[in-house]
Amino acid sequence: TQLLEQSPQFLSIQEGENLTVYCNSSSVFSSLQWYRQEPGEGPVLLVTVVTGGEVKKLKRLTFQFGDARKDSSLHITAAQPGDTGLYLCASRNNAGNMLTFGGGTRLMVKP
Amino acid sequence: GAVVSQHPSRVICKSGTSVKIECRSLDFQATTMFWYRQFPKQSLMLMATSNEGSKATYEQGVEKDKFLINHASLTLSTLTVTSAHPEDSSFYICSARTGGGWGAYEQFFGPGTRLTVL
Repeated sequence: TQLLEQSPQFLSIQEGENLTVYCNSSSVFSSLQWYRQEPGEGPVLLVTVVTGGEVKKLKRLTFQFGDARKDSSLHITAAQPGDTGLYLCASRNNAGNMLTFGGGTRLMVKP
Repeated sequence: GAVVSQHPSRVICKSGTSVKIECRSLDFQATTMFWYRQFPKQSLMLMATSNEGSKATYEQGVEKDKFLINHASLTLSTLTVTSAHPEDSSFYICSARTGGGWGAYEQFFGPGTRLTVL
């Protein structure tokens, strides 16, 4: 099972600030997904990255996949209180039929 | 995206009772469903993988006699927590996977069920 390490574990910032969340593994990702989970709800898929070096943008969120496909980052520009939540990265196993989640980054954006 | 529902959303029970949680894929057929457990401020931990019409595959450390999983149809899987104890209190999330070959499927998550055992 591939181990995913996320950092930081917790982040508290003021509205308007920028932030970056990281997801790393010692082995190569076949693909990587980022999810956002709000309290009391299930995780919601934000993006899937597949190709090394890939960059995807979703409004103020920028997702980057490392060239070697061992790391990924999520950058949020001008964070808003509505961005508050648990951000999870996840990768599929070698058979491609199961997701494994990282430990998560809990983001709090204060107004 | 596809919709996955869970019922109930919250349940409070007494220690020693059994609780059943339902997971339904509302607009697609799911040959495979997953059950996760999430403790406060922690990530999701996979408990078991459930394939329609066959026995579930449990992750290491998960008691199969404690957490009974039934996947009787392509749209319904149930998780029964038997003889629940306070340490079983947690947020249980199911996920349903669409069909297709490797790379062609997506996993959709239910809204979760918060179980509190008194």
